[in-house]
Amino acid sequence: AQKVTQAQTEISVVEKEDVTLDCVYETRDTTYYLFWYKQPPSGELVFLIRRNSFDEQNEISGRYSWNFQKSTSSFNFTITASQVVDSAVYFCALSEGESNFGNEKLTFGTGTRLTIIP
Amino acid sequence: NAGVTQTPKFRILKIGQSMTLQCTQDMNHNYMYWYRQDPGMGLKLIYYSVGAGITDKGEVPNGYNVSRSTTEDFPLRLELAAPSQTSVYFCASSYISGTGITDTQYFGPGTRLTVL
Repeated sequence: AQKVTQAQTEISVVEKEDVTLDCVYETRDTTYYLFWYKQPPSGELVFLIRRNSFDEQNEISGRYSWNFQKSTSSFNFTITASQVVDSAVYFCALSEGESNFGNEKLTFGTGTRLTIIP
Repeated sequence: NAGVTQTPKFRILKIGQSMTLQCTQDMNHNYMYWYRQDPGMGLKLIYYSVGAGITDKGEVPNGYNVSRSTTEDFPLRLELAAPSQTSVYFCASSYISGTGITDTQYFGPGTRLTVL
């Protein structure tokens, strides 16, 4: 069975500090996708990134970067020079790679609540 | 494109009442999903559909029913509402081609349901 663990329930950092959100996953599939979603206080889910299991290259998008390491089954998310607008709950998610009905059934972690202190 | 829309945004039900949560997408996505998010938790899949007329259970289907008569709509039915169904419900959609090429899931704004 798939599982996503976000061990950090809540993190608070002062604005402009860097912060890393951890995500550890378990799956028996050889093909799978990993995701990060942001849920701001308004409640909607905002897609941030999708990474497939064959692409271990790290990715950077502005102040956001992601470190994917299959050897440790981790897909960590770093925010550089954090801003108050980054305050949100962040979810890591995993989808099955191969099934009869496609590969987008997501298993979510329990989320990390990030608070950026001005 | 409006994307994924959900109605209502908020609802309070009494125990034993029934209701239907509406979900519509205008992106011509073949896959649609219903999730619930309990306080302080991640989302859990209730039901999903791979196309009109085809639905299947997710992780937590008990107490719910779905139907998919059109590509655009995927309503979620609660029969005999219980306090345990108090949650925020998210609908999502995605496109998956016949060769398995996928797009990400797009989420609606959510429906906050309270059962008293």
